[in-house]
Amino acid sequence: LAKTTQPISMDSYEGQEVNITCSHNNIATNDYITWYQQFPSQGPRFIIQGYKTKVTNEVASLFIPADRKSSTLSLPRVSLSDTAVYYCLVGDMSDQTGANNLFFGTGTRLTVIP
Amino acid sequence: SAVISQKPSRDICQRGTSLTIQCQVDSQVTMMFWYRQQPGQSLTLIATANQGSEATYESGFVIDKFPISRPNLTFSTLTVSNMSPEDSSIYLCSVEDQGFGKKLFFGSGTQLSVL
Repeated sequence: LAKTTQPISMDSYEGQEVNITCSHNNIATNDYITWYQQFPSQGPRFIIQGYKTKVTNEVASLFIPADRKSSTLSLPRVSLSDTAVYYCLVGDMSDQTGANNLFFGTGTRLTVIP
Repeated sequence: SAVISQKPSRDICQRGTSLTIQCQVDSQVTMMFWYRQQPGQSLTLIATANQGSEATYESGFVIDKFPISRPNLTFSTLTVSNMSPEDSSIYLCSVEDQGFGKKLFFGSGTQLSVL
């Protein structure tokens, strides 16, 4: 089970690009990287998922280097509403029980400042 | 994506009592997951509930304290038994995306306060 390490907290001004890095040194061949966002009083919400290189959707981009031992969630031009906790999870897509995708690390508390 | 409804959204309970939390999904799912999130902390997996079989509990959680039912493919309940103030947390129900990707979808949670 690949363990993840993220910064506990980050601050950013509105309009800036924010990059949150997650370390997963013992990531396995079948592991995918998934990021979630959690606002206060809500359950986590899926943001983006990737295996290698770069993935982009309407919310964020995910950069994964060739060795896959880390990944970076990039949020373009953040606004106050992006203030939330961001979690990185690593798990085996071939594991039919889904067990490896279920364990959340500490997460990164992002605070966007006006 | 799955839509998950949890009830109650919040409750205040007395020590020694029990509370049953309901989780309803708008589609059939194989597995449902129950999490606990203590104040200011990350999510901790309590158990995995498969329809037709007993739930699988993670280390530190036992069936007597957190009995789970899974009567069909769209519904599950988690009971927090014999509550103490240490059980004050947010309890979250989750399901896995039925397509490729193993993404998790969450309910909005149940905020439990035990006096």
